[in-house]
Amino acid sequence: QVQLVQSGAEVKRPGASVKVSCKASGYAFASYGITWVRQAPGQGLEWMGWISGEDGNRNYAHELQGRVTMTTDTSTSTAYMEVRSLRSDDTAVYYCARSPISVSTLPNYDYWGQGTLVTVSP
Amino acid sequence: QSALTQPRSVSGSPGQSVTISCTGTSNYVSDYNYVSWFQHHPGKAPKLMIYDVANRPSGVPDRFSGSKSGNTASLTISGLQTEDEADYYCCSYAGTYTSFGTGTQVTVL
Repeated sequence: QVQLVQSGAEVKRPGASVKVSCKASGYAFASYGITWVRQAPGQGLEWMGWISGEDGNRNYAHELQGRVTMTTDTSTSTAYMEVRSLRSDDTAVYYCARSPISVSTLPNYDYWGQGTLVTVSP
Repeated sequence: QSALTQPRSVSGSPGQSVTISCTGTSNYVSDYNYVSWFQHHPGKAPKLMIYDVANRPSGVPDRFSGSKSGNTASLTISGLQTEDEADYYCCSYAGTYTSFGTGTQVTVL
């Protein structure tokens, strides 16, 4: 069965970086993309960006350009999402989700990871 | 700031129907048939309930239905059940990015 398993919770200081992993199984990794979504405490869902599982092509949310990097390791079917220069408002649960590969912004996210809590605190 | 506006909350008794609206501030909802709806229980991963405006993934009960009129998409839950109590988010293709709605809390009275 399709599964996306994310790395564990992180606590970081402001200004630091965090890298969250998302290991996929049960499907052909190169046939789909991975979208990253986050939810800050008490807030709604926020689209962060998408990366192709085939060729690493990516599309980031405008607000995160320059601070976020999404990568994949096709040998292990794992996607990574790194946020740099962390701020307190980056405190959130971060999710990865399987996505269509044809268009980066089609919102058909049919399988999700369990979420990773990233806390940014002095 | 989200480009998609939803009511903050809706409620209904078991067995009743509720409808959640999702109104776009631009023409993305009206021009494209790429609206999804997600159910989100606190502490769990979101779940895809509707995609491409009105399609249900396998395993989603048929009491969940989606539609669109002009720049507003809607999710209707018929025969409301206690397990339907959750937050619901619409999500729309917006060209070079994707936008989630503001979210609606559904309460089963």
